[in-house]
Amino acid sequence: DAKTTQPPSMDCAEGRAANLPCNHSTISGNEYVYWYRQIHSQGPQYIIHGLKNNETNEMASLIITEDRKSSTLILPHATLRDTAVYYCIVRARAGNNRKLIWGLGTSLAVNP
Amino acid sequence: DAGVIQSPRHEVTEMGQEVTLRCKPISGHDYLFWYRQTMMRGLELLIYFNNNVPIDDSGMPEDRFSAKMPNASFSTLKIQPSEPRDSAVYFCASAYRDTEAFFGQGTRLTVV
Repeated sequence: DAKTTQPPSMDCAEGRAANLPCNHSTISGNEYVYWYRQIHSQGPQYIIHGLKNNETNEMASLIITEDRKSSTLILPHATLRDTAVYYCIVRARAGNNRKLIWGLGTSLAVNP
Repeated sequence: DAGVIQSPRHEVTEMGQEVTLRCKPISGHDYLFWYRQTMMRGLELLIYFNNNVPIDDSGMPEDRFSAKMPNASFSTLKIQPSEPRDSAVYFCASAYRDTEAFFGQGTRLTVV
């Protein structure tokens, strides 16, 4: 699976949009981009995933560039409860390979 | 569903003792994963099962670690003998086919 690069930390004001970038320049055509987050002392939580089209759900939006070499996770109105470590992962959804390579993620601090 | 259930939540044991961590996946899920998380190494996949059969155990650090899944609703991760460097948070996760994984709350293991 391709590797990802994320900034180690980011700050965001409460109520503002949080835009978390991720580089995955070696992504393959059959690999999806997944985002998870981990709130302190809890297990990772799935947020969203996409292949090449932009995606939106109740938690966030995922914007993937046309060349698919990078993506941005957008939390439209960040709250204090969104303070967490956010992980960007790429994975092929084929066969029996479910091995995810987790980087160090981005530690997002939402400030009041 | 109550989600992925792990027990115990915290475990403190002496070096050399056997430790058994337990996991109950979400009903109907056919994949089960065991992860370990430390500050130094982040989140590492130890082993995962598909339909109760181990698929990839390349992340198991050494022979002291073993994992079993006797049926679709239960799995164990055993460390024998335990060492201080095994201190970490151990997460269990489950998934249905190639969809996203759901994580438990983790077991914090301290080996003294």
